[in-house]
Amino acid sequence: KAGVTQTPRYLIKTRGQQVTLSCSPISGHRSVSWYQQTPGQGLQFLFEYFSETQRNKGNFPGRFSGRQFSNSRSEMNVSTLELGDSALYLCASSPRTSGGGTDTQYFGPGTRLTVL
Amino acid sequence: SQQGEEDPQALSIQEGENATMNCSYKTSINNLQWYRQNSGRGLVHLILIRSNEREKHSGRLRVTLDTSKKSSSLLITASRAADTASYFCATDGRVSGGYNKLIFGAGTRLAVHP
Repeated sequence: KAGVTQTPRYLIKTRGQQVTLSCSPISGHRSVSWYQQTPGQGLQFLFEYFSETQRNKGNFPGRFSGRQFSNSRSEMNVSTLELGDSALYLCASSPRTSGGGTDTQYFGPGTRLTVL
Repeated sequence: SQQGEEDPQALSIQEGENATMNCSYKTSINNLQWYRQNSGRGLVHLILIRSNEREKHSGRLRVTLDTSKKSSSLLITASRAADTASYFCATDGRVSGGYNKLIFGAGTRLAVHP
């Protein structure tokens, strides 16, 4: 099976702009999660989508939003970009549909966002 | 805030030596996972250990979990230069209902020299 893909891989934006990142999960995986990685804060959970519904959300401002489509592909959007939004944004998918703790996450290569 | 704290922050060893990384966490968990990241790229899952397990092996990897101390360790035996990467532990903070949310530690940067 093909792995998790993320597009674009690199992105440069200026403050105040908005950006949309895309993630295609592994075929058959219905859960898609997003993480932000920065040198200062490390890896932080943004949100998780399952069957087009946001099931879980991290502690990020409302400028960060996402959605999931019926084919499980997901997008995340950051509006009014700030310098501190510069980060590696990682998408992960997993097949788990029931309880028992967080399933193994399969990560994509990430999108490197630079805000100037 | 991060759930896990890893120790050491950086580790430098020679090929063939063993590498041990430790992770501590704060709240109760369903399971704990270890991931590897090569130079700012995506994370690769290494091993998952459930809260009712004490030890798990996968190839050259050995993971232990002590829920009474809220700690875990990752041992890589007979290390290779290709093991050079950052290693992260991640917990799920006892989320229920099938939710997938990982809380990562700060990571250990491992350098294996030929």
